[in-house]
This record gives sequence, C-alpha cells and structure tokens, in this order.
Amino acid sequence: NAGVTQTPKFRVLKTGQSMTLLCAQDMNHEYMYWYRQDPGMGLRLIHYSVGEGTTAKGEVPDGYNVSRLKKQNFLLGLESAAPSQTSVYFCASSFQVGETYEQYFGPGTRLTVT
Amino acid sequence: GESVGLHLPTLSVQEGDNSIINCAYSNSASDYFIWYKQESGKGPQFIIDIRSNMDKRQGQRVTVLLNKTVKHLSLQIAATQPGDSAVYFCAEKGYGGSQGNLIFGKGTKLSVKP
Repeated sequence: NAGVTQTPKFRVLKTGQSMTLLCAQDMNHEYMYWYRQDPGMGLRLIHYSVGEGTTAKGEVPDGYNVSRLKKQNFLLGLESAAPSQTSVYFCASSFQVGETYEQYFGPGTRLTVT
Repeated sequence: GESVGLHLPTLSVQEGDNSIINCAYSNSASDYFIWYKQESGKGPQFIIDIRSNMDKRQGQRVTVLLNKTVKHLSLQIAATQPGDSAVYFCAEKGYGGSQGNLIFGKGTKLSVKP
C-alpha cells in the first residue's frame, strides 16, 4: 500500500494564480483532511470530509475550496493565491471507528506564493 | 475556545537518557489524546494514543501518562536515540460538531546529543 500520497511535492505560485493539490489514499478510509503547517503554529485544519461527496470547514477555511468526488481522492483548491497561503500542506485520512482516531498523513506539499 | 499546548518548545537530551515531553489541554471533557512524531521534511507519524479512562499506556520505548486532574499528559521516551530527534505533537479529539477531528498543539522539538 502507498498509504497517503500528495501531488505535487513543491510548487511556487505568483499572487493571484490558482492551483489544485491532490491527495490520494488507498486504505479505503472514509475520512480525509487537509491541514496547513506554519512555523510555530502546529497543524491547523483547513477542510475535511467524512465521506465521498461531503466536505466541511475546519479552523482556517478561508481562501480554500475542496472536493471529494471519489472516496480515495480529496482535492484542495486555491482560487487566487496570496502570500499568506505560503505554507506546508498536509493531507490525512482515517477510519474513525472503534477505539482509535489515528490519522495517516501524507508527505506534504510545500507551497510558496510570491 | 479549546486549546492543546506544550510546556516547552525545545528539549535537548543526551543519547541514552530518557526524554519527557509535556502537553497541557484545556477541555476537561476531552476523552482521547494522541501523540505524533514529525521528522524534518516528512509528514507526522502516529506514536501512541490514550483514552481518558486510562492513566497510562505503554508502547515500544514510549509511555504516555494522562493526569486528568491537572489536564496534563506526557510522552516518555526511554533510552533516547538519535533517530528520536524530531518534533513531537500532542493532539486531542475534537468535540461537538467537529467530534472526531484532532486539535493539535504547537509541538516540541526534541534534539538528541550523541
């Protein structure tokens, strides 16, 4: 199993450009998440999904949109990138049943907006 | 709002010594906690979790202690090795409408001196 994969690994955007980050998981997980990680800020939840076709806002959703058309994929879109969106973005997935709420993380996408 | 915080942003230990990383939480109703390890340039990896009906849980070289009275948990790493150098995050399970999501602390950086 590849686990959670993210595409691309690195990207540089100019202010106002748009892009989509792709997250894929092969563990048949129902739940998927997008986080951003900034220095000294830990991981902050952007959006999440509790199943195919569903999405919900997290702590810092402004400036981002998401879609979960297929169970295995979760897309994060930036319609008009801003320098404040320079960050490392992590996708995660989980079963969320039973005794554990463990989330499995991808390797991250490092985004720079100039 | 609720928060998960860490007492020390950095911790430096000698190889072979035991490490203790602390975490405070503010929601007395929190019933699930989890620790992650993040190596440089990688996504967070699960270490161990604990439910509020337990005071202690042990894994391989790691122990998590939960003190509900003072809303504090700690991660103990026995015989710390250079490979343990990383940032460690504690997280608590969300509640209310976001139950099942994880709320992360800001992290503690552990450095192991050879």
